[in-house]
Amino acid sequence: DSGVTQTPKHLITATGQRVTLRCSPRSGDLSVYWYQQSLDQGLQFLIQYYNGEERAKGNILERFSAQQFPDLHSELNLSSLELGDSALYFCASSDIDRGHTGELFFGEGSRLTVL
Amino acid sequence: AQSVSQHNHHVILSEAASLELGCNYSYGGTVNLFWYVQYPGQHLQLLLKYFSGDPLVKGIKGFEAEFIKSKFSFNLRKPSVQWSDTAEYFCAVNGDNYGQNFVFGPGTRLSVLP
Repeated sequence: DSGVTQTPKHLITATGQRVTLRCSPRSGDLSVYWYQQSLDQGLQFLIQYYNGEERAKGNILERFSAQQFPDLHSELNLSSLELGDSALYFCASSDIDRGHTGELFFGEGSRLTVL
Repeated sequence: AQSVSQHNHHVILSEAASLELGCNYSYGGTVNLFWYVQYPGQHLQLLLKYFSGDPLVKGIKGFEAEFIKSKFSFNLRKPSVQWSDTAEYFCAVNGDNYGQNFVFGPGTRLSVLP
C-alpha cells in the first residue's frame, strides 16, 4: 500500500460526458502528479500540483483540468469525453519537498472506459 | 528536451535466464534515477533508485542497476529471472533541471516463460 488513494477504481461513461477523478496523496506529501496510461501512448505526464498551485504541465488536453485543494487532495476533471480518453489514470505523490528522495508513490489508478 | 529511452519494447526470457534492460537519458546535469515495475493489473511500484554514491544500486527482489554517467545509462539487471518477474518495467529520471518533474521511459514489457 503506497498510501496514495484514488477513487473511483473503475468508471464507465459515454462520449461527451464529464467525469471527476479523485486522489488523496500520502500524508505530508505536498506534490501530486497525474499520469495517463494507455496501450498506444504509454505513461504520459499530465500535470503536477504543489501545495495547491500548478507546478508543471505535460500533455494535458484542454478538455482536462485539475486542481489541488487546501487539504492537499486533488481532482482531475475530464470533459467532453472521447473514446480515445479511455485509459488508466494514475495519481502519484512525492516527498521531495520534505528533503527526502523524491520518489513517486503511485495510487492504484482509476480505469476510465468511454463507450 | 529531456528524454528517457528504453532499448527494448518487449523481452521474452525463460526462467533462470539473466536479464538486462537498457535505459538511457538525455540530460547533462545531476540526475536522480529510478526503475519502477508494474505487475499486470497493478500500479507502479519502486524497484530501486539512485541518488548519489555507489553507482551500483541494489533493489528489491534481487534486481540491481548500474549508473554509468559517461554513457547516460542506468541499466537494470537480474542474474536469474522468475516467472513472477513478468511485468512492465519503467525507467525514470528526475533531474535538477526537471524541477520536480519525472520523465518516464516508454517501458519494457518482460515476459518470463515457466
